[in-house]
Formats: sequence, C-alpha cells, structure tokens
Amino acid sequence: DAKTTQPPSMDCAEGRAANLPCNHSTISGNEYVYWYRQIHSQGPQYIIHGLKNNETNEMASLIITEDRKSSTLILPHATLRDTAVYYCIVRVASGANSKLTFGKGITLSVRP
Amino acid sequence: SQTIHQWPATLVQPVGSPLSLECTVEGTSNPNLYWYRQAAGRGLQLLFYSVGIGQISSEVPQNLSASRPQDRQFILSSKKLLLSDSGFYLCAWSVGGIYGYTFGSGTRLTVV
Repeated sequence: DAKTTQPPSMDCAEGRAANLPCNHSTISGNEYVYWYRQIHSQGPQYIIHGLKNNETNEMASLIITEDRKSSTLILPHATLRDTAVYYCIVRVASGANSKLTFGKGITLSVRP
Repeated sequence: SQTIHQWPATLVQPVGSPLSLECTVEGTSNPNLYWYRQAAGRGLQLLFYSVGIGQISSEVPQNLSASRPQDRQFILSSKKLLLSDSGFYLCAWSVGGIYGYTFGSGTRLTVV
C-alpha cells in the first residue's frame, strides 16, 4: 500500500522556487516525513525530514500541514542541477517498519 | 566523516555466472546496512537489510543472498545470475532512529 502520493512530474524555471507536493493522508502520529532525491544514475540523496514542525536546511524547506496529511518540499531557487526524481516517504523512526520504502516519486525538470 | 564505498561501478556478467558485490562503510560503528535494487525504469526495491554482523533480513524472495562478515562490510551474492537480475544495485547505511540513509554510488549490473 502506497503511504504517499505524488504527481508524476512537474517543471519549473531556473531561479524560481520549486514547490513539490506530497499527500500522506494516512500518516500515523509517530511517522516522520522524509524527502530524498535521485539524480540520474546516482544513489538517492537525503534532503530533509520532519515530524510536525516546518523544517529548513541548506538544501530545502519542508512545510507540513497542521493535520499532517500533506507536505510540500520547497527548493527556494531551483537550478538545472536540481533536475531529479524526488521521493516523499513516511516512516517510523525505529522498529520493524522503519525501513525506507520508495515509491515512484515526482520527476522535477528545471528548465533554463 | 563517514563514507560508503561500493564496487565495481559497472559490471557485465553472463547468465549463469556468480556475482559478488561489496559495500563497505567507514567512520561509523554498528551501522544498519541495506541493499536496494532499481530495475530499468522502475522504483527502488529493498532487497536485504542487516542490523549487525551475521544478521540478514530478506525483503523479497529472489535469486540473491546477502552476508555481513564484518561490522562495516555488506556483500550481495548470487550463485547463478538470471537476466532479471540486471539493474542498478545500491548499498546504504544508517545509524538508525530518525536519521536518514546514506547511499553509495551504486553498481550497474547487466546480465547478458
């Protein structure tokens, strides 16, 4: 069963903000939201994670709705190198169900 | 700092030949280790994970096996490769808990 749903693809202009949506309407109270990205022919790269509060790091910002049923990953100033498949994943922090399970992700294309 | 090494980067093997892919982690102790596979045009599938030396859990029935002979060494093997074993194999590690996974650069295996 898919725990998250993401649009298959989106694009944005270089230098503009890229807002990547994710729905996780069945998220449990102890599940975190994680974002990874995979640039073509490379291994996935961790971006950010959060539980309830919005989070920001040097790569991106994560906005989680108050009911936690959806979130948005924001790349504030997209570059061509941000073109990749972005995965939104929910998981518990520990235990047998804490393994990272990837869905299909969303393909972000940044255009010049 | 922690690093993860995977080799080889690419491999072409005939059907029926054996396989051994190695993954090592440096700079950490007692990591959780994972093997993923990504078939062409498909998503990332977790194959095996290990929480300690000699402890291997298999996620899906398949033609492959995994071993962890040392704390920071994870090996993926097959006695006889099938065409369907072709894909991009990724090793990852984590310290567990809320922390994310760090992936290696992957091995692209083509079975001919």
